Amino acid sequence: LAKTTQPISMDSYEGQEVNITCSHNNIATNDYITWYQQFPSQGPRFIIQGYKTKVTNEVASLFIPADRKSSTLSLPRVSLSDTAVYYCLVGDGRDGGSQGNLIFGKGTKLSVKP
Amino acid sequence: DTAVSQTPKYLVTQMGNDKSIKCEQNLGHDTMYWYKQDSKKFLKIMFSYNNKELIINETVPNRFSPKSPDKAHLNLHINSLELGDSAVYFCASRPGQGAFDNEQFFGPGTRLTVL
Repeated sequence: LAKTTQPISMDSYEGQEVNITCSHNNIATNDYITWYQQFPSQGPRFIIQGYKTKVTNEVASLFIPADRKSSTLSLPRVSLSDTAVYYCLVGDGRDGGSQGNLIFGKGTKLSVKP
Repeated sequence: DTAVSQTPKYLVTQMGNDKSIKCEQNLGHDTMYWYKQDSKKFLKIMFSYNNKELIINETVPNRFSPKSPDKAHLNLHINSLELGDSAVYFCASRPGQGAFDNEQFFGPGTRLTVL
């Protein structure tokens, strides 16, 4: 199973861009990289997923270098409401597949201050 | 129009009791899951069902038994509750098995407290 490593916590201020990097040295060829967001007392929410290079949606961007051993979630101009825990996961998405179906680590606790 | 719903939201009970948590999804998804998030915030999969069939059964005590009456429902029954079962339990669903798509839709969670 591809293990992921990400910072335990990060602090930012409103209006700043936040980049959270995740290491996944043992990522397999078929693995995708997925990020989830979890607010207190809520279930995780899918943010973005990618395989290589760059993916952008209305919420975030995901940068994946050529070797795919790491990825960076970029949140543009964060607000107080972006305070949450962000999880990086890798896997091929198949039930019973390499990632064992979304193994969540401790994630990165992002605190956005005014 | 809630996508994935769970009942109850809070459950407080005594050790040794038997309890159930219900989950329903109205997304038409084929695959449903149960996760447990402990006090240290680790979120770990317990079970996965695809079209009412058990696909994944992680190492959980056999006091935990999932039941899927139809593909829109996945209930979790817990026998002989123990203190260590106290956690938040999340239900989730996904369109299908086998897709290279890791987007799952999570319910609001059920906070179980065993006294």
